[in-house]
Amino acid sequence: QSALTQPASVSGSPGQSITISCTGTSSDVGGYNYVSWYQQHPGKAPKLMIYEVSNRPSGVPDRFSGSKSGNTASLTISGLQAEDEADYYCSSYTSSSTVVFGGGTKLTVL
Amino acid sequence: QVQLVESGGGLVKPGGSLRLSCAASGFTFSDYYMSWIRQAPGKGLEWVSYISSSGSTIYYADSVKGRFTISRDNAKNSLYLQMNSLRAEDTAVYYCARDLEPEAGLDYWGQGTLVTVSS
Repeated sequence: QSALTQPASVSGSPGQSITISCTGTSSDVGGYNYVSWYQQHPGKAPKLMIYEVSNRPSGVPDRFSGSKSGNTASLTISGLQAEDEADYYCSSYTSSSTVVFGGGTKLTVL
Repeated sequence: QVQLVESGGGLVKPGGSLRLSCAASGFTFSDYYMSWIRQAPGKGLEWVSYISSSGSTIYYADSVKGRFTISRDNAKNSLYLQMNSLRAEDTAVYYCARDLEPEAGLDYWGQGTLVTVSS
């Protein structure tokens, strides 16, 4: 159950677009369309932003989008806003019927 | 509205036990898979366990297998995590969360309860 690999940090200016990658293996990210993304502000519980690779829950702005290619999933945030500054985590279902999270990415809005 | 409220956290000595509870409201609890996720201080999220809507299917992370037991009482709209043989590395905020659909994602989270394992 090795954690999925995410960059430790990314940054962007307001209005720009950023992409956070999430790399796994064929036993998790590459094997299933069960990748989800979570946003977590300091001291708060995580919030689901994307599920099943590219689906947005009700209420999540369409500036947030998800995709997957092979063993790597990606979260793209377009039109970056100050309130997007947070930690982001990916997760995936695995071939062992368990769930694995990424190490997390700190997004800084410059 | 959907609410998940964890309780039962606290300070416990290494080797001790603790039982966490998660009270659910605002949805038909018996229709949903439920999960426990933890976050050590200053660290990332770690999946701990999930349980199916009926309680018949359960999985654990290797790090807690054999020490932790997840369970649910659908009549009481409650989720539980019995934690035995606690170690310092189990120190974390423990969140309960609702599965949107099995494996699909966790759409509602509680506010978390802090478990500290220390002598």
